[in-house]
Amino acid sequence: GAGVSQTPSNKVTEKGKYVELRCDPISGHTALYWYRQSLGQGPEFLIYFQGTGAADDSGLPNDRFFAVRPEGSVSTLKIQRTERGDSAVYLCASSLSLAGVRHEQFFGPGTRLTVL
Amino acid sequence: LAKTTQPISMDSYEGQEVNITCSHNNIATNDYITWYQQFPSQGPRFIIQGYKTKVTNEVASLFIPADRKSSTLSLPRVSLSDTAVYYCLVDDTPLVFGKGTRLSVIA
Repeated sequence: GAGVSQTPSNKVTEKGKYVELRCDPISGHTALYWYRQSLGQGPEFLIYFQGTGAADDSGLPNDRFFAVRPEGSVSTLKIQRTERGDSAVYLCASSLSLAGVRHEQFFGPGTRLTVL
Repeated sequence: LAKTTQPISMDSYEGQEVNITCSHNNIATNDYITWYQQFPSQGPRFIIQGYKTKVTNEVASLFIPADRKSSTLSLPRVSLSDTAVYYCLVDDTPLVFGKGTRLSVIA
């Protein structure tokens, strides 16, 4: 079946602009995660959704970052007033989520964001 | 802050067995140990997960001693296509990645 997809694959923007990054999780996966990965580093957690609600947004670096998942499927990561330091690969992952059971996360290919 | 420590890089020749050891001294009773693999320009991919003793699947084996303060990922007879970054994680929601181990397989 289809895996996690992310669009766009690449996004180049100018400092101060607004960007939206989209994630389509695997059908039936109730948990959805956003991570950010800089060159040479491991992925860094941003936010985690369980269904439509953000279960943990402690990784969002500041209030310029916001994410939604209105229908419990597709998610959009929104970044306002972009800064050069926001340049990174933004990864989305999804997983099943059943109480008491650990599930692997399936990652998308990422969106490479470049802020000029 | 990552809860694990692993070597930054390793080199191996094709056909050899590769063992990557990870330290997780403060692992909690309910935590599992999970390994992910990441190729360039791709998202990480789950390899294996375990709680104690030994787990084996078609890709790798995972050895966890009784005190669970470390674990070893074993890749049998590596090929060039196993060149990747390997991450050891104490299974949490969310996942907490360190820098991983960059494995280079040489022909």
